[in-house]
Amino acid sequence: NAGVTQTPKFQVLKTGQSMTLQCAQDMNHEYMSWYRQDPGMGLRLIHYSVGAGITDQGEVPNGYNVSRSTTEDFPLRLLSAAPSQTSVYFCASSSQGATGELFFGEGSRLTVL
Amino acid sequence: GDSVTQMEGPVTLSEEAFLTINCTYTATGYPSLFWYVQYPGEGLQLLLKATKADDKGSNKGFEATYRKETTSFHLEKGSVQVSDSAVYFCALSDRSSGSARQLTFGSGTQLTVLP
Repeated sequence: NAGVTQTPKFQVLKTGQSMTLQCAQDMNHEYMSWYRQDPGMGLRLIHYSVGAGITDQGEVPNGYNVSRSTTEDFPLRLLSAAPSQTSVYFCASSSQGATGELFFGEGSRLTVL
Repeated sequence: GDSVTQMEGPVTLSEEAFLTINCTYTATGYPSLFWYVQYPGEGLQLLLKATKADDKGSNKGFEATYRKETTSFHLEKGSVQVSDSAVYFCALSDRSSGSARQLTFGSGTQLTVLP
């Protein structure tokens, strides 16, 4: 029962470094998204995709890039990490027509020094 | 824009106590409402949902009723267990916004149940 798989689970970066958080799902879901979770702020949507080749911005997209070349994968790229990007990142997916029923990965905890 | 307001935590209860976590929302359209639960070290899982006014969602002894007149979706459980210790998130998706799968989350409420 793989579901949504995120890697790495933990990462420490220095300011200015770049990295990619990987997300893969094996449920053939069309919709995939990235959220960040910060204390007292709940989850905020970064980017989302409604299918391969289609991506769009969420509430807090600045400093992040995404691409969706396949249905299964939706990587999140930090081009030049900043301390404000220290957070826990969650990838989520959903099938078409499943209103609001997101399936989440276990999260990736990122610290930017 | 849409927003969700949850009661602030943390909430600490003794086993078998009654639980209420308040949630109110603001939405321009006709939202569906959800409660998600996050156990320590894990991602969020859907606990229950309601898609229209007066619907009651229920799962694992938890219940919440979609109250359009008070714009609320309070989570309740009659007798909590230690295993219910987790963070609970209220969320909505607004179908009129064009993407029913984009969720707006509340800030989360940490629940700790003591034996």
